[in-house]
Amino acid sequence: GAVVSQHPSRVICKSGTSVKIECRSLDFQATTMFWYRQFPKQSLMLMATSNEGSKATYEQGVEKDKFLINHASLTLSTLTVTSAHPEDSSFYICSARGLSGGASEQFFGPGTRLTVL
Amino acid sequence: SQKIEQNSEALNIQEGKTATLTCNYTNYSPAYLQWYRQDPGRGPVFLLLIRENEKEKRKERLKVTFDTTLKQSLFHITASQPADSATYLCALVGGSYIPTFGRGTSLIVHP
Repeated sequence: GAVVSQHPSRVICKSGTSVKIECRSLDFQATTMFWYRQFPKQSLMLMATSNEGSKATYEQGVEKDKFLINHASLTLSTLTVTSAHPEDSSFYICSARGLSGGASEQFFGPGTRLTVL
Repeated sequence: SQKIEQNSEALNIQEGKTATLTCNYTNYSPAYLQWYRQDPGRGPVFLLLIRENEKEKRKERLKVTFDTTLKQSLFHITASQPADSATYLCALVGGSYIPTFGRGTSLIVHP
């Protein structure tokens, strides 16, 4: 299957700093990318959907000014957690959908573990 | 509101047996249902998709059933192996093609 990478795989930062997470589709072009957050023993919760070249669509309860999403190319989306606080500590996972757009054509990255001290 | 239920208790089975995991849902009419595997500290890996008009789907040692009347899917792993130990996530997919995930059930296969 197609490969999606995330960088970094884990990051530790101080409270109040900003952290950027990259999501790349390595061998296919992704028209749509999704960002999820997962707390321990919980399900993946969709945060936002981004389409290349347009503004992201955020789910209810997700602050768009805190979680900045940029999808500047068909292979790269970034999530920036601004002014991070300990409650933002979580596992962030991106997924990418290929040009065919079917339900089976969504591939997940390996995730980024964010710890805010 | 939409609800997806997967058994929160871990399923422990002996190697060689068939593991059966359950996914129940309410207030949803999905077009598709997907099953994923997630290992600790990793993202989900897609396993199988079954459409609303399909009763059963198989892939190697995996079998999925989908009963839209009962609003339930069963996920079976036959001849289970310790390497099958992981968390298995059920996801419902509607017209937007964006999966909504359950919490997952942890499977532990003992040698």
